This record gives sequence, C-alpha cells and structure tokens, in this order.
Amino acid sequence: QSALTQPRSVSGSPGQSVTISCTGTSSDVGGYNYVSWYQQHPGKAPKLMIYDVSKRPSGVPDRFSGSKSGNTASLTISGLQAEDEADYYCCSYAGSYTFLYVFGTGTKVTVL
Amino acid sequence: QVTLKESGPVLVKPTETLTLTCTVSGFSLSNARMGVSWIRQPPGKALEWLAHIFSNDEKSYSTSLKSRLTISKDTSKSQVVLTMTNMDPVDTATYYCARTPQGATTPRWYFDYWGQGTLVTVSS
Repeated sequence: QSALTQPRSVSGSPGQSVTISCTGTSSDVGGYNYVSWYQQHPGKAPKLMIYDVSKRPSGVPDRFSGSKSGNTASLTISGLQAEDEADYYCCSYAGSYTFLYVFGTGTKVTVL
Repeated sequence: QVTLKESGPVLVKPTETLTLTCTVSGFSLSNARMGVSWIRQPPGKALEWLAHIFSNDEKSYSTSLKSRLTISKDTSKSQVVLTMTNMDPVDTATYYCARTPQGATTPRWYFDYWGQGTLVTVSS
C-alpha cells in the first residue's frame, strides 16, 4: 500500500484560499467516505481538522472544509490566517485488516 | 478530559526490541467500538500508521511491518503497549499513540486525540 499523494507545498497570502489535494486509489480514498485531515505545527502532535471527508470537529474554524471526488480528497482553507501555517496530512481508511489506514505524504502550507 | 501519553526508551541499539507504552485517561479502553493506534514520524518525514487495537482486542498491523510488531492492551492499567523487534536506524522516529473514537454502531475511522509523541533514536 502506497502513501496518498499530496503536493509538497502550497502558499497563499492572508485572506486568500488554498486547496490541498490528496490522491489515492479506489481501495482507500475512492472506496470509503473516511478521509480525515490533520494539522501539525513544528514539534507538535497532529490535530484533527476534518473527518469523514467533510465533517469538522467542535472547535475547528469553519474556514476549514473538506470534499472528495473519485480517488482525490481535498482540504480547503478559506480566509488564510498566519496561524494556519503548518504541515497538513490526509489519512484514509483502507478497509483491510492488513492495512487499516494510509496517510498522505504531507503538505507544507505557507502564509506569505 | 481525554489524554494519551507515550513512554519508553529514548535510545535503543540496532537489533534490540523497542517497547512503548501509551497510558490513556478520560476514557476506558473497554468502551465499545473504540480503539488506539500507533503512528510514527521519522524526522522531517510523513506520518506512518503502524498498528491498531480495538476495544474487543482485535488487532491490525501495517503489512510492511507486521512481522516485527505486537500491540496489546491492559484495560485495568489503561495502557496500550507496542513492541517492535529488530530495531534499525531507519526506525528512528517520533512515535505517537492516537485514539479512534467510539461509534454508535460501527468503529470510527479517524484519530480524534493524540499523545504528545516520544522520540526514539536507534543508534549503537
């Protein structure tokens, strides 16, 4: 099972929107509505931002949104803020007890 | 308040066995359809899922590391333990434990709480 593919980096100015893609296969992203997204600041543990493709946990700003089309999931950050600068990882349920989860390669979001 | 905390050695030698403990609080490891995974992250690299244990004691392992991993839990101590045999310098990473929350009728397939992580260095 290969890692999900994400762009290495994306950037935007404060107030702009950025979108991070996460491409997998029909065995993971495309096969289930169980994609989650995690934000990780340097030296910190990952934080859940989106689950089940598009649901936001309590406390996560509504400028974070998720979607999926086919084998590709996306995370959009609208109204980019300085504190959004971090690494972001997607993760998908992979449906097999021999490979339950697969993470993405990670994307560095830079706020210009 | 839900918390998870990893503990274990900071340094292990090549070929040694690593044992990590995740101590949880704020929930019970016996809660139905809840689970705990171990996930690692080499310095500067991406997250990698390693193993998962469900509340009913079912276990799942990464295919690529299955032969080296064992996950177990002690509900009375609120602990999940991961052992990894035959450690190699490429296993140098921060190791996290993370919870998958309780689902109404089925498990939930995401990690809502993470430990702070513990950096393990493999070197002679």
